[in-house]
Amino acid sequence: GAGVSQSPRYKVAKRGQDVALRCDPISGHVSLFWYQQALGQGPEFLTYFQNEAQLDKSGLPSDRFFAERPEGSVSTLKIQRTQQEDSAVYLCASSFTGSYGYTFGSGTRLTVV
Amino acid sequence: KNEVEQSPQNLTAQEGEFITINCSYSVGISALHWLQQHPGGGIVSLFMLSSGKKKHGRLIATINIQEKHSSLHITASHPRDSAVYICAASNTGNQFYFGTGTSLTVIP
Repeated sequence: GAGVSQSPRYKVAKRGQDVALRCDPISGHVSLFWYQQALGQGPEFLTYFQNEAQLDKSGLPSDRFFAERPEGSVSTLKIQRTQQEDSAVYLCASSFTGSYGYTFGSGTRLTVV
Repeated sequence: KNEVEQSPQNLTAQEGEFITINCSYSVGISALHWLQQHPGGGIVSLFMLSSGKKKHGRLIATINIQEKHSSLHITASHPRDSAVYICAASNTGNQFYFGTGTSLTVIP
């Protein structure tokens, strides 16, 4: 597709459930980022991939959060044993290189009940 | 203190008004970004700039590297400009620092 695609668009999870959020970047984009955006806040950095290599995961809030991009294209953000504080919009963005503009997906709104 | 500060937090304007949103940053950057987020949550990248000024339609973005300050201007504002505008700074390590956004409402 022409843009960054994220799925699902909405996800409701029971507390303790594991969830997997998918990001399909623009074809050929080397850099891929995950962000967490709580209600009324700006996005917070979670992790960054260059191709399949996870170069920075300093923003992941706990070891319940795990991201992968095994073939350097599609990425999955997995959250284990979800908690209510994980409720947020999870945004994915990709870029050809850091010198070019970034394209954001529409996000996945996760609600943990 | 956030690495990126925006002001104002909320802004209401009459249609046709000239609008300015300000952004100050405290980190070393390779680029400054202005993003637009609509109520549905989707984010659109408006500008990426590292110096000077860029213009796209009614939108103008400026940056002063020495003062670590950027502004986003909207000329002849329109209700469809209503959105949250987010300033973000990126460094050479590709890490982004986001402001908390400015919620703009343009009234017809």
